[in-house]
Amino acid sequence: GIQVEQSPPDLILQEGANSTLRCNFSDSVNNLQWFHQNPWGQLINLFYIPSGTKQNGRLSATTVATERYSLLYISSSQTTDSGVYFCAVGKTSYDKVIFGPGTSLSVIP
Amino acid sequence: SAVISQKPSRDICQRGTSLTIQCQVDSQVTMMFWYRQQPGQSLTLIATANQGSEATYESGFVIDKFPISRPNLTFSTLTVSNMSPEDSSIYLCSGDRGRGEAFFGQGTRLTVV
Repeated sequence: GIQVEQSPPDLILQEGANSTLRCNFSDSVNNLQWFHQNPWGQLINLFYIPSGTKQNGRLSATTVATERYSLLYISSSQTTDSGVYFCAVGKTSYDKVIFGPGTSLSVIP
Repeated sequence: SAVISQKPSRDICQRGTSLTIQCQVDSQVTMMFWYRQQPGQSLTLIATANQGSEATYESGFVIDKFPISRPNLTFSTLTVSNMSPEDSSIYLCSGDRGRGEAFFGQGTRLTVV
């Protein structure tokens, strides 16, 4: 099956700093999503981005499908950005998605 | 996007007992999935809940331990059977209308004592 790696595993940022999270995957995919799991355990969809670039406020994401990676950019980080960020991929848009191990982000004031 | 309601949101159960978790979507979805998230870990897919037929289980998960039902396109249940402390996890239901964007319920936090 598809293998998903995420880096870094842990990240501590000062409020206001920028960061880049990376997701590598081992096979071609037609489904890639980024999620944020807040400290209460709720999973929040950030981006559905099997290819290309999207932006939503302070967050943006880029997927280079041919090179099998995706990047999530967080700018001007806030304490509410803390939590775990997961990348999840699937072979097709109708298929199950497999989650990466996550990046645990802590934003300190 | 659609909303998934999951219940119970949390429970504490005695070992050897079973717990059934319900997942209700506010509109029809093509695909429904059940995931487990062990403490400090990522999400692991348990099975795909198929409407009107047996669920499709991932390696390491069996129907006797995690029976799943999906009687229609908006509802599914997962039962965790004969529980042990190792089953203490968050169990999450997800839905997908076939456009690829999965969305999740709030999860069921299970503690087995």
